[in-house]
Amino acid sequence: GAGVSQSPRYKVAKRGQDVALRCDPISGHVSLFWYQQALGQGPEFLTYFQNEAQLDKSGLPSDRFFAERPEGSVSTLKIQRTQQEDSAVYLCASSSIDRGVGKQFFGPGTRLTVL
Amino acid sequence: AQSVTQLGSHVSVSEGALVLLRCNYSSSVPPYLFWYVQYPNQGLQLLLKYTTGATLVKGINGFEAEFKKSETSFHLTKPSAHMSDAAEYFCAVSPGTALIFGKGTTLSVSS
Repeated sequence: GAGVSQSPRYKVAKRGQDVALRCDPISGHVSLFWYQQALGQGPEFLTYFQNEAQLDKSGLPSDRFFAERPEGSVSTLKIQRTQQEDSAVYLCASSSIDRGVGKQFFGPGTRLTVL
Repeated sequence: AQSVTQLGSHVSVSEGALVLLRCNYSSSVPPYLFWYVQYPNQGLQLLLKYTTGATLVKGINGFEAEFKKSETSFHLTKPSAHMSDAAEYFCAVSPGTALIFGKGTTLSVSS
């Protein structure tokens, strides 16, 4: 596709459920990022992949959060045993630059609501 | 650690008026600076970025920003606001890979 796509666009989960959020980056983009955007806040970095390697996961808020990119393309962010504080928009971005500061292209996000 | 402060969570201007959105950063190394715009239910779109070189950076949709090292600022301006500029604007700094965002400024444009 022409841009970064994310699915689902909206997800409602009951507290304690596991969820999986998918990101399809722009074809050929080496770098992939996940951000969390709480209501009324700016996006906050969660994790970064270069191809299939997860090079930085310092932003993941707890061990309930797990991300993978097994073939260096599609990525999945998984949240186990969801809590109300996990409610946010989860943004995925990709970049063609493998190091340094390249232009990040953002997807529309997945809005997660935990009841 | 690097951080970004956006002064003013909400800015209102009239159509045709000057737009000024303020951003100050904290960085221990020469920063890479960005402005992104976010329309409702859409992803963030890059307006402009500063890495090195000329301190006045021109972006899309008539926006520009000036990097002022002495003031640790990277304010976003547009000479004449248009109704379509109404959106959320985020300033960001990068230590080299991931982006660190400010809390955002909502721009409202009235006719």
